Amino acid sequence: AQSVTQPDIHITVSEGASLELRCNYSYGATPYLFWYVQSPGQGLQLLLKYFSGDTLVQGIKGFEAEFKRSQSSFNLRKPSVHWSDAAEYFCAEASGGYQKVTFGTGTKLQVIP
Amino acid sequence: NAGVTQTPKFQVLKTGQSMTLQCAQDMNHNSMYWYRQDPGMGLRLIYYSASEGTTDKGEVPNGYNVSRLNKREFSLRLESAAPSQTSVYFCASSEPTGRLVHEQYFGPGTRLTVT
Repeated sequence: AQSVTQPDIHITVSEGASLELRCNYSYGATPYLFWYVQSPGQGLQLLLKYFSGDTLVQGIKGFEAEFKRSQSSFNLRKPSVHWSDAAEYFCAEASGGYQKVTFGTGTKLQVIP
Repeated sequence: NAGVTQTPKFQVLKTGQSMTLQCAQDMNHNSMYWYRQDPGMGLRLIYYSASEGTTDKGEVPNGYNVSRLNKREFSLRLESAAPSQTSVYFCASSEPTGRLVHEQYFGPGTRLTVT
């Protein structure tokens, strides 16, 4: 069965510092990978997605993620965090051929001044 | 475009009561989904509908039923609510193209408490 692991439940960074959120996927062969963000009391919003091609993908709000097949990872990065980035971030994976998506358990980001 | 809408936003039920959560999307998407979100567990798929007229069980279907009323609407019913069903429920939709998976668009959620 698919599984998506986000090893960090909670991360605190200072405003202006760089950020990396970790994600490991399990399905492997042809993963479809996503990062979503959830602000408090809101639904999830897509940040970026990877289907194939260039392993470094750019998303909205200055985020990027790098797909590394050898490590089964799809880590999310941002060079300089803003206070408005405080939210919960979910990594997700779907396999080709069906439309079900498996979500990780989320990483809650706190940004301190 | 409203995107994905859900009603109600909040609901409190007593154990054993029933209710239906409503979801509608105006993006002409074929696929729709119901998830529940619990602290520390991420989102877990309850049911999904790949197209109008079809529904399939997800990871945690017990205690729930769904109806894909038409292409726009996908409702989730709790026949006899239990405290374990206290959660935040999200509806989502997507437009898959063949074998290609597309991103899902989420509604704002329904916060349900069962006492």
